[in-house]
This record gives sequence, structure tokens and C-alpha cells, in this order.
Amino acid sequence: DGGITQSPKYLFRKEGQNVTLSCEQNLNHDAMYWYRQDPGQGLRLIYYSQIVNDFQKGDIAEGYSVSREKKESFPLTVTSAQKNPTAFYLCASSITSGSIYNEQFFGPGTRLTVL
Amino acid sequence: AQSVAQPEDQVNVAEGNPLTVKCTYSVSGNPYLFWYVQYPNRGLQFLLKYITGDNLVKGSYGFEAEFNKSQTSFHLKKPSALVSDSALYFCAVRVFNNAGNMLTFGGGTRLMVKP
Repeated sequence: DGGITQSPKYLFRKEGQNVTLSCEQNLNHDAMYWYRQDPGQGLRLIYYSQIVNDFQKGDIAEGYSVSREKKESFPLTVTSAQKNPTAFYLCASSITSGSIYNEQFFGPGTRLTVL
Repeated sequence: AQSVAQPEDQVNVAEGNPLTVKCTYSVSGNPYLFWYVQYPNRGLQFLLKYITGDNLVKGSYGFEAEFNKSQTSFHLKKPSALVSDSALYFCAVRVFNNAGNMLTFGGGTRLMVKP
């Protein structure tokens, strides 16, 4: 899983609660990403950040929010507005988002379950 | 639209036999293609990538992939499968937009290698 850590590994949320998923990388990468994975489906991009203090919405940003105050950190908040948040969440990083040559490195994931 | 497709949800193969996991792509311009592997409850691990050059790309764990421009395919192969190769495999293509470039993932193929 490279130098990317995600915490917690498992997270349980009651309906109506906001929760924040942590993602930290020590690879000195500029770009960071959040994906959602549902059973039997591929990865869908939630948010991405190419540089500190900047981020953009991905394909399924509704009900989620992010911040990028530090290069190494890209936390994801799942808000109560997200109607179906139960899923496996993956954080990734790459040297830059602008280079075609650079693969993304993934963290171990956080499994979120709504009770 | 730029996309990848993995036509098989699951591939079954006996240990010691060759394996192929299929991927086809649709892109405008030059394709930049990636394969990742995911073990249960883990993040994705990078296997290999095609940017340019030789059509046969060698990657980690004895895997290789063959780029075929005329068939718009990038199939993952291994000459002799191991039980430990059983996992979920994702093909991805780099797509370009005004904000940079992202990865779009296929839906995944589950590989089952039986003793």
C-alpha cells in the first residue's frame, strides 16, 4: 500500500451523522484522490486535489466534502446529505495529476457502514 | 467518452494453467493504460502500465499485458497461474480534461485460481 495510510479501517455511522475519513501520505506527492467502491462495481471518483489548498469535484461529489490544508493530508467528510454512504473508500496519490506517466498509489481503504 | 470495459465479471482457471483477463478501451488520441490488483479488504496495487513502445508490457508478480491497437485491447496475462493470484483485477485508462488527467477504471474482474 505504499506510503499512504487511511484510518480508521472500519467505521460505523448512525444516520444523520457526519464522519471524517483520514488519508495521509509521506510520498511527497502533489495530487491526491478519493474513490468510492461498491460491491461488484469499479471505482468512482469523489474528489481530487492537484495541489495544496485546491480541490475539484469528481463524478460523485454530492454529499461529500474535502480539504487540502497540507500536502500530506486529504481528509474526506461524509455528510448526512449522502443518502447511501455504506461503501469501501479508497484514497490515492500520484506525483502530479498532470503527468501521463505516473501511476496512482492507493491506501488500504476504509470500510464505512451506516447503522 | 474515454472508457475501459472488462467484459468478464469472473475468470476461473486451474493452478498452473495460463490466465487471461480481458480489457478493451475507447479513447480519443493515444491510450495510456494501467492494470491494478486488489486483494480482499485492501487497496489497489499497481501491476503494470502501457505508455508507448513495445506492445508487450511486463509487470509485477510475473504478469504481463499485451497492447493491441487494432483491437483496442489491453489483456492481462500470466503463463502459469498461482492460487495466490486469486484477487480482483482492474484495468484503467488515463483520461484528459481541463483540470488535468484522471484514471477511469473498468468494473473489475474477479480471478479465481483453483488448486
